[in-house]
Amino acid sequence: NAGVMQNPRHLVRRRGQEARLRCSPMKGHSHVYWYRQLPEEGLKFMVYLQKENIIDESGMPKERFSAEFPKEGPSILRIQQVVRGDSAAYFCASSKPGQEIAEAFFGQGTRLTVV
Amino acid sequence: GENVEQHPSTLSVQEGDSAVIKCTYSDSASNYFPWYKQELGKRPQLIIDIRSNVGEKKDQRIAVTLNKTAKHFSLHITETQPEDSAVYFCAAQNTGNQFYFGTGTSLTVIP
Repeated sequence: NAGVMQNPRHLVRRRGQEARLRCSPMKGHSHVYWYRQLPEEGLKFMVYLQKENIIDESGMPKERFSAEFPKEGPSILRIQQVVRGDSAAYFCASSKPGQEIAEAFFGQGTRLTVV
Repeated sequence: GENVEQHPSTLSVQEGDSAVIKCTYSDSASNYFPWYKQELGKRPQLIIDIRSNVGEKKDQRIAVTLNKTAKHFSLHITETQPEDSAVYFCAAQNTGNQFYFGTGTSLTVIP
């Protein structure tokens, strides 16, 4: 079991470009959570998805940010027209479906730098 | 929704001493409380967890306690070592499988 895989590990984008961050959950996991972490700060919840459904996107900015988790393939966090303030580490975590209590495991994160 | 508060934000202890980190939560329906350790530049890693039907759980030098009535839970690290230095996050999971994290505690173990 390869664990939660995120790519790329590092991403540099110029202001105004688009950033696409990918997260492949652990085998058998169909719940995905995305978090943003600024340097020396905590994990800020962005969005919680299950396969083909957004369950809770209350932490995601209304503009420029979107997330999806298609039936096939990884979950994608998309940031359009990036600005310097988007620079952060973005972590995803995954958990198993169908359990009352589900442990969540994190990927290595994608460090986005906007120049 | 759930609100998780974590204290202290920074903690320094001498090697060999104990460290205690405390968290409170607001949603009495939350039923699972994991703790994560994040070393610099790395992913948060699950180190111990406790479920709402248990009051205490121990794994070697790490223990977690839960007081459901008071809605607080704590992480205890005994005989601290320099490699325990990291940021520790508590979390609470509600019945909707959503996780809410505390703001983190930066632990420094001084050799």
